[in-house]
Amino acid sequence: QLQLQESGPGLVKPSETLSLICTVSGGSIDTTYYYWGWIRQPPGKGLEWIGSAHYSGNTYYTPSLKSRVTISLDTSKNQFSLKLNSVTAADTAVYYCARKTQWLVQSWFDPWGQGTLVTVSS
Amino acid sequence: QSVLTQSPSVSGTPGQRVTISCSGSSSNIRSNTVNWYQQLPGAAPRLLIFSNNQRPAGVPDRFSGSKSGTSASLAISGPQSEDEADYYCAAWDDNLNAVLFGGGTKLTVL
Repeated sequence: QLQLQESGPGLVKPSETLSLICTVSGGSIDTTYYYWGWIRQPPGKGLEWIGSAHYSGNTYYTPSLKSRVTISLDTSKNQFSLKLNSVTAADTAVYYCARKTQWLVQSWFDPWGQGTLVTVSS
Repeated sequence: QSVLTQSPSVSGTPGQRVTISCSGSSSNIRSNTVNWYQQLPGAAPRLLIFSNNQRPAGVPDRFSGSKSGTSASLAISGPQSEDEADYYCAAWDDNLNAVLFGGGTKLTVL
């Protein structure tokens, strides 16, 4: 059974870089039909897709964050990471990692990690 | 404001059929499949419906999904108290090259 687990600092200072890692167990991240993604949820608000990456190097990012975000895969550790630079209080959220199945016009996120709260504050 | 539009809340009794709608456009719902996610209080979202109307293993058959044109719906036949949660629709958008989530609908079971 595939499981994902987020890890990283729970507190980041404004203007610094938010860095999170998602460790995948029970399956390999270098699989053709899967992308690996990050989704966030500000406190009391809805879900926002951040981006997704494939082991081939393909990446997609949401337009509003594209200039600040990088998602990369480490197949040797079966992990993928999120880096979001120049953070502000608006980046405070629970960050989820998830596997994205992709087949033609069909795609979905399953499973999800449990999420990790990152607060941006000095 | 989300490009996929959902009503903020819906309520129903165990004897009713409740429907949650998701309105989009030709670049997202019409062109791509729709997924639904359930988020129980304090928990991570989980996949409820994928590819418009497919249920993953373990999802009760009282949940069903449909799509027509630029809109999609999630129906719950006889909602149970354990179904009280936030429900989100999602779809890929060909113009934005992005995954879009609806704003979410909170289900209350009376």
